[in-house]
Order: sequence, then C-alpha cells, then structure tokens
Amino acid sequence: EIVLTQSPATLSLSPGERATLSCRASQSVSYDLAWYQQKPGQAPRLLIFDASKRATGIPGRFSGSGSGTDFTLTISSLEPEDSAIYYCQHRANWPRTFGQGTKVEIK
Amino acid sequence: EVYLVESGGGLEQPGGSLRLSCAASGFTFSSYEMSWVRQAPGKGLEWVSYISSSGSSMYYADSVKGRFTISRDNAENSLYLQMNTLRVEDTAVYYCTRGRFGAGSYYEYWGQGTLVTVSS
Repeated sequence: EIVLTQSPATLSLSPGERATLSCRASQSVSYDLAWYQQKPGQAPRLLIFDASKRATGIPGRFSGSGSGTDFTLTISSLEPEDSAIYYCQHRANWPRTFGQGTKVEIK
Repeated sequence: EVYLVESGGGLEQPGGSLRLSCAASGFTFSSYEMSWVRQAPGKGLEWVSYISSSGSSMYYADSVKGRFTISRDNAENSLYLQMNTLRVEDTAVYYCTRGRFGAGSYYEYWGQGTLVTVSS
C-alpha cells in the first residue's frame, strides 16, 4: 500500500498570502495524484488531477506540481473561502489511498 | 447537472448488515467508473471500493474485503454497497463518487453522503 504523508498538518496564513502544501508518497506514483478540498459539513471537491491539471471550475490560484514521490499544491493568493482541509490521493495502484490532510486556516 | 444521492445508512449493531444505494442522474451512468469513499467522524478520507463502468471489475480496501460487495445496475442508474458483518470501525459517512471519464479513480463528483453508525 502506498502511504501518502502530507505536511504541514495545519497552515495558518493571512488573506493574500501564498500557501504551499506538500504530499510525499512512500513510492513513486508517477503523475497519478489528485488534490481535494473539503469544507466543514461538505463533501470533498476535486481540485487537481494528474498532479497539475485543474478540474473544471477551479480558480487559477490553485496549482499543482510534482511527480514521482513529491508533490505540491499551491494557492497563490489566499481567499477567505479557501479555509478548508486539503487531501492528496493517488491512483497509481490498488488500493487507492489518501493523505491524512492539511488544514488551512485563514487568519 | 450531475446528481448522486445516497440512501440506506442508519444505526446497525455489530455483526449486522446494511445496503447502501446511490441514485445517479445527469450523466450516462453506464459510461463511468464509480467508487465508494468513507469518512469516519472527525477523520480523513478512506477509499472503500471501486467498480468499472460495465460492472465486470471490482476492487476493495483490505479493511472491507470479504465483508462488503459493490455492485451496479446500469439500467436503473444505481450503485450499491452491500455491507455485511459490520464492525464498530465501519462507522462513517459513506460517499458515492463518480470518476472522471477515462480516469475513474479521480473522484470528480460526490454525493452528500449517508451516515452509517455501527454500535450496540
């Protein structure tokens, strides 16, 4: 099973600042990685797939990068509505697994 | 617009059974891979099971293998999860998800979830 480790656990930033979230895989997943955003009481929303492709309707301030074992989700300029938990997930093999999540707090 | 509506959750005793359903609309159901993902209270996301568009291939998380069965009825636009021998640790919100076309394990659409509580 591929283990995805996300860091930091919590990120506390002000509006307009840049957020950088990390996801590290225990073995290579090539580019087979997605990022999701989950707000309290809501289902997750797909943000990024194939490591760097934005899903439909996702604002341009969200970007993904990386390959192999190291991936990054960047929010270029934080908006108040970006307060959420962000999860990475791979589809390189079975079982699919998620990271434990990074909570982004807006000061 | 894509809709996924889960039902069938509730309170069940350890060792009991439940059958979750997911009614899909707004897309050609038979063309898409589907999955169940769960989230225990206050915890992260856990993939549970996958089924191919035709229903010919299924995969399960080790934690549910041999106890849960995923199935679909493409004529009825419905996805199911038969959950047997339930354990306390199966308590979670269960989400029905639709994969991206041709990339079924990117969960592009999610239902609102149905809560399963396993407790005596």
